[in-house]
Amino acid sequence: GAGVSQSPSNKVTEKGKDVELRCDPISGHTALYWYRQRLGQGLEFLIYFQGNSAPDKSGLPSDRFSAERTGESVSTLTIQRTQQEDSAVYLCASSLGDTNGLLHFGNGTRLTVT
Amino acid sequence: AQTVTQSQPEMSVQEAETVTLSCTYDTSESDYYLFWYKQPPSRQMILVIRQEAYKQQNATENRFSVNFQKAAKSFSLKISDSQLGDAAMYFCAYRRKLTGNQFYFGTGTSLTVIP
Repeated sequence: GAGVSQSPSNKVTEKGKDVELRCDPISGHTALYWYRQRLGQGLEFLIYFQGNSAPDKSGLPSDRFSAERTGESVSTLTIQRTQQEDSAVYLCASSLGDTNGLLHFGNGTRLTVT
Repeated sequence: AQTVTQSQPEMSVQEAETVTLSCTYDTSESDYYLFWYKQPPSRQMILVIRQEAYKQQNATENRFSVNFQKAAKSFSLKISDSQLGDAAMYFCAYRRKLTGNQFYFGTGTSLTVIP
């Protein structure tokens, strides 16, 4: 597709379960970002990929959160043993990774932990 | 670390009127990018306007313009002739002008357009 694609668009899970969120960036975009947005709040940086490596993962809130990227394309964000405070919209964005740096966002995954 | 501050959690404007959203940022860099993004209820983040710090001329995109005050580290967004479709969350963002750097976002301003 032409834009950043995220799946699922909505996910409801029980506390303690693991979840995987997927992001398909725009083809050719080497930079990929994950952000968390709690209800009514701003964007909280989680992790940044350049290619398949993550030079900045400083925003991951705990060791229950991890992310990987393969083939300089798809990225998955995994949350283990989910907690209610993990409920949020998880936004993925990609950019060409050059100094132009325009971010293109997906529509996000709304995660609800019950 | 860079920080971006939006001091107005909520704003409202009458349709066809003009509104200004405020943003300040903190940085020691001399060259960088500033952005305004719009997020309607659909959750899709849409780029509204971008400013390069080394350019003194304020960026303009149709009804949207910025007032960039580099010395004051201020980057406000002016929306002229407001339309109902402008109602959304607006986020100010900062990025260093180097490859491989993250974007820093403010906490957002919720704009209501009153018919």
